[in-house]
Amino acid sequence: KAGVTQTPRYLIKTRGQQVTLSCSPISGHRSVSWYQQTPGQGLQFLFEYFSETQRNKGNFPGRFSGRQFSNSRSEMNVSTLELGDSALYLCASSLAHRNLNTEAFFGQGTRLTVV
Amino acid sequence: AQSVSQHNHHVILSEAASLELGCNYSYGGTVNLFWYVQYPGQHLQLLLKYFSGDPLVKGIKGFEAEFIKSKFSFNLRKPSVQWSDTAEYFCAVKGQAGTALIFGKGTTLSVSS
Repeated sequence: KAGVTQTPRYLIKTRGQQVTLSCSPISGHRSVSWYQQTPGQGLQFLFEYFSETQRNKGNFPGRFSGRQFSNSRSEMNVSTLELGDSALYLCASSLAHRNLNTEAFFGQGTRLTVV
Repeated sequence: AQSVSQHNHHVILSEAASLELGCNYSYGGTVNLFWYVQYPGQHLQLLLKYFSGDPLVKGIKGFEAEFIKSKFSFNLRKPSVQWSDTAEYFCAVKGQAGTALIFGKGTTLSVSS
């Protein structure tokens, strides 16, 4: 069974540009969450999607957005990039977002560097 | 809003020493609790989880954690650490009502041989 796949693995962008990251969840998983990981801050929750609907949202500016497709694949977009957006962006998938005792499985992440 | 607090930012131990990493959370409802581990250069992996039942849960590689509901704590323990346990450890909580999976800031464990 394939794990969570994130593409690309590495990205270098310039301030002011925008970027789109992709996540393919484990087959059968319908919930996808995104996190930003930086040294000292741990994993900060961005948003969670289930059945193409955003179910939870973290405390990030509107420059960060996401969406989920009917096949459960998800993308996140960051517009007008800032140097502080440099981080490892992690995607996690799970069977459902509530009621079931399920765990989240993580991808390898996309390392974004903004210069 | 729920939150997770990990007491130790960086822990340094010698091999065979005992380990306890503290984790406290704030959330008013029923929770699922997790410890994840991130070895250098690898992705996050689940170490152990608590959903219900016996508050003492056992995970992989000899790790265990105890859920103390009255203290909102879920501390991770291992009787004897190995050099290969060097990693970053994250405590996480998810409300069963469908809230997000929220992580603490992590504890870096360095084990010297």
